[in-house]
Amino acid sequence: GAGVSQTPSNKVTEKGKYVELRCDPISGHTALYWYRQSLGQGPEFLIYFQGTGAADDSGLPNDRFFAVRPEGSVSTLKIQRTERGDSAVYLCASSSTIGPSGTEAFFGQGTRLTVV
Amino acid sequence: DAKTTQPPSMDCAEGRAANLPCNHSTISGNEYVYWYRQIHSQGPQYIIHGLKNNETNEMASLIITEDRKSSTLILPHATLRDTAVYYCIVRVENTDKLIFGTGTRLQVFP
Repeated sequence: GAGVSQTPSNKVTEKGKYVELRCDPISGHTALYWYRQSLGQGPEFLIYFQGTGAADDSGLPNDRFFAVRPEGSVSTLKIQRTERGDSAVYLCASSSTIGPSGTEAFFGQGTRLTVV
Repeated sequence: DAKTTQPPSMDCAEGRAANLPCNHSTISGNEYVYWYRQIHSQGPQYIIHGLKNNETNEMASLIITEDRKSSTLILPHATLRDTAVYYCIVRVENTDKLIFGTGTRLQVFP
């Protein structure tokens, strides 16, 4: 498909477990972003990659959260020792360029994570 | 922290223009104003962006005041499918990190 793809669409896990959320960006997009959205709130920035490297990870809430993008395409957001407060929709976006005016970021449909 | 202020909700009759205001009084010279919208259960969708000149595309128009402290997104002929949360965002220069606020929930009614 031509859009940003996120899998799984829904994930239910038990408190304390480890989860991985996957994002397939639009082909050729060098920038990739992760956001988290709680009910009734706007998306909250977590981390963004330019190519393989994390250009800004200032939004990761703590060291239980980690993200990788080893080949500059697919990215995985990893959450260790999940807590009920981690329940949210995790959104991924990608864009083609970075510059003074920036460019349009394309978002996926998100992964709804529920920690029980 | 979000650098914008928007009304939490607005209504608009179908077929009429929807004018969504945004205040960004602390915007600096090289920061762009972006608008995204989010329809229920979907990811945010880009609408338009601008620096200081008014902008128009197939979706909407963006009017930015001369002092750049506020802007208005205009949907010229709102439809029921335009019901969504609309986010006004000030984007820091040379970064595509978007800091979302809580947005304006636009309800278009028949």
